[in-house]
Amino acid sequence: SYELTQPPSVSVSPGQTARITCSGDALPKQYAYWYQQKPGQAPVLVIYKDSERPSGIPERFSGSSSGTTVTLTISGVQAEDEADYYCQSADSSGTYPGVVFGGGTKLTVL
Amino acid sequence: QVQLVQSGAEVKKPGASVKVSCKASGYTFTGYYMHWVRQAPGQGLEWMGRINPNSGGTNYAQKFQGRVTMTRDTSISTAYMELSRLRSDDTAVYYCARGITMVQGVIEYYFDYWGQGTLVTVSS
Repeated sequence: SYELTQPPSVSVSPGQTARITCSGDALPKQYAYWYQQKPGQAPVLVIYKDSERPSGIPERFSGSSSGTTVTLTISGVQAEDEADYYCQSADSSGTYPGVVFGGGTKLTVL
Repeated sequence: QVQLVQSGAEVKKPGASVKVSCKASGYTFTGYYMHWVRQAPGQGLEWMGRINPNSGGTNYAQKFQGRVTMTRDTSISTAYMELSRLRSDDTAVYYCARGITMVQGVIEYYFDYWGQGTLVTVSS
């Protein structure tokens, strides 16, 4: 089945820029979506359709796409951004449309 | 405001079944697919499948085919996920999530609202 690959961890100091990547062969043809998950909480959508930001999500969150890699960028990282981040895309490898998540990236704010 | 409220934690023995509910409010229940995603302790997110609340039609991830059943009761805007023949590795938090469907070459889903999660523990 289709896989999305993320780095297990990213660390940045407050105020710096964090970049979290997600790689998948089908990403040039399909959108990517990003979720933030804090401990003990449900995931929250932070980016959809590669680079769109839902209402209520701070402007410091942005997304981009280049070839088989999509990137979630958090500019001016704040302590409250420490969380796990998951990319997600469509899985068209089966008989019916499905969903695939990356393995997740733990963002640590030093 | 959109809300998805799930049923409470469950403890089950291996081989048993569990049924988790997800009550929707704040939007037209039949207008959006409902998806189920699970997360084992310390692990990532895993998509299980989805139900069309309007028709009752379902698609399940291959991994769960034959063990999962998703249903809905439109009269009370509630979706259900039942998992049978439970094993210890089914211990996880189970989430319902409202799906947005996009069609552009391929059908794509993403999730704009999530339930609070239901912990299912499978232990003898």
